Amino acid sequence: AQSVTQLDSHVSVSEGTPVLLRCNYSSSYSPSLFWYVQHPNKGLQLLLKYTSAATLVKGINGFEAEFKKSETSFHLTKPSAHMSDAAEYFCVVSLYNQGGKLIFGQGTELSVKP
Amino acid sequence: GAVVSQHPSRVICKSGTSVKIECRSLDFQATTMFWYRQFPKQSLMLMATSNEGSKATYEQGVEKDKFLINHASLTLSTLTVTSAHPEDSSFYICSARGDSTNTEAFFGQGTRLTVV
Repeated sequence: AQSVTQLDSHVSVSEGTPVLLRCNYSSSYSPSLFWYVQHPNKGLQLLLKYTSAATLVKGINGFEAEFKKSETSFHLTKPSAHMSDAAEYFCVVSLYNQGGKLIFGQGTELSVKP
Repeated sequence: GAVVSQHPSRVICKSGTSVKIECRSLDFQATTMFWYRQFPKQSLMLMATSNEGSKATYEQGVEKDKFLINHASLTLSTLTVTSAHPEDSSFYICSARGDSTNTEAFFGQGTRLTVV
């Protein structure tokens, strides 16, 4: 079975400090993985994606993620948090054997303190 | 990135009535569209997947007669909540993707449905 697990339901950081949002995946196939961000009562915006090219993926707004097959992880990082980064973040896997159906992790709420 | 427009953004309806939500891909052809439901403080739950011109594939536990999905063209999919009840109140989000399963899906802004 293919799935994603986000290890933290809530992460709180101070502005200017690093951000780490953890995601582990389970997949029988070489996965396509994505990170999306959702601001309150809004749709979702793609931050970055991994589709079997470079293992270190750079996204928008200074975010990046590293695909580590040995650890089955795809953690999202940012060197310095900004107040506007406060939102809900979802790690998502695309199910290759089910027509690319997207399965969402449980989500991590990021809070940024001044 | 590509734009997906979802309408309405917010709707209040009376119990027993039906509500239609539209999802349009504005600048690309959406071979596949997905409909999700999101409860407060929870993740997105996939309700169904629709391909243009085909019947939607519903996830286990989702009533296909209650949540009617139509994907009549490559730029439009609709979700109709029939005979809505208060427990159907939720945030509904659509997403659309082109013809490759490796590409990202683009999401609509969501529809907040409140059934009174």
